[in-house]
Amino acid sequence: RKEVEQDPGPFNVPEGATVAFNCTYSNSASQSFFWYRQDCRKEPKLLMSVYSSGNEDGRFTAQLNRASQYISLLIRDSKLSDSATYLCVVNGRKGGKLIFGQGTELSVKP
Amino acid sequence: DTAVSQTPKYLVTQMGNDKSIKCEQNLGHDTMYWYKQDSKKFLKIMFSYNNKELIINETVPNRFSPKSPDKAHLNLHINSLELGDSAVYFCASGREAVNTGELFFGEGSRLTVL
Repeated sequence: RKEVEQDPGPFNVPEGATVAFNCTYSNSASQSFFWYRQDCRKEPKLLMSVYSSGNEDGRFTAQLNRASQYISLLIRDSKLSDSATYLCVVNGRKGGKLIFGQGTELSVKP
Repeated sequence: DTAVSQTPKYLVTQMGNDKSIKCEQNLGHDTMYWYKQDSKKFLKIMFSYNNKELIINETVPNRFSPKSPDKAHLNLHINSLELGDSAVYFCASGREAVNTGELFFGEGSRLTVL
């Protein structure tokens, strides 16, 4: 089983749609959770951290369910500029290193 | 000013050759990393250095040898390149050795082995 699993997509949605990405992780001792964004042929960049109580940043909402070892990202009112790959990231077993999921590709169409 | 810079951005070479990728960060971070992103887009950590000391060394062939002359630089040398080494190699830096925070990535070095 992969340490961090995501549906690779692609998710093709129209502008204005609400889209949700899910991620599961295998290490129940993980402490830190993040969503990163990677544009085509670019480097990954931190989108937001994920807190136990859930957190929101504008149109983006992240949720964490420790019991189910599940993380989600909700994007409301999708923009064309949201088209990218969204990477679920968890700190792993050894030395707290970050483990990246495969990423979920999002394509927002006009 | 670029925070994490890598050179070269593109590298095309023949099997069996030796090549190096250089990385520099001007963020004042103590920890630097090399990640490999393959054609399936998985980002896998290869090495991590904290203040010039190797702290993470994943299961990577001995042909890969990192070197950190100071905490702002982390280079990657690859000997006897193989087809399977073709990938994008990302350098990154972070504030903490335990890595619970944000990573800042370079733009990547796209290696193609023919």
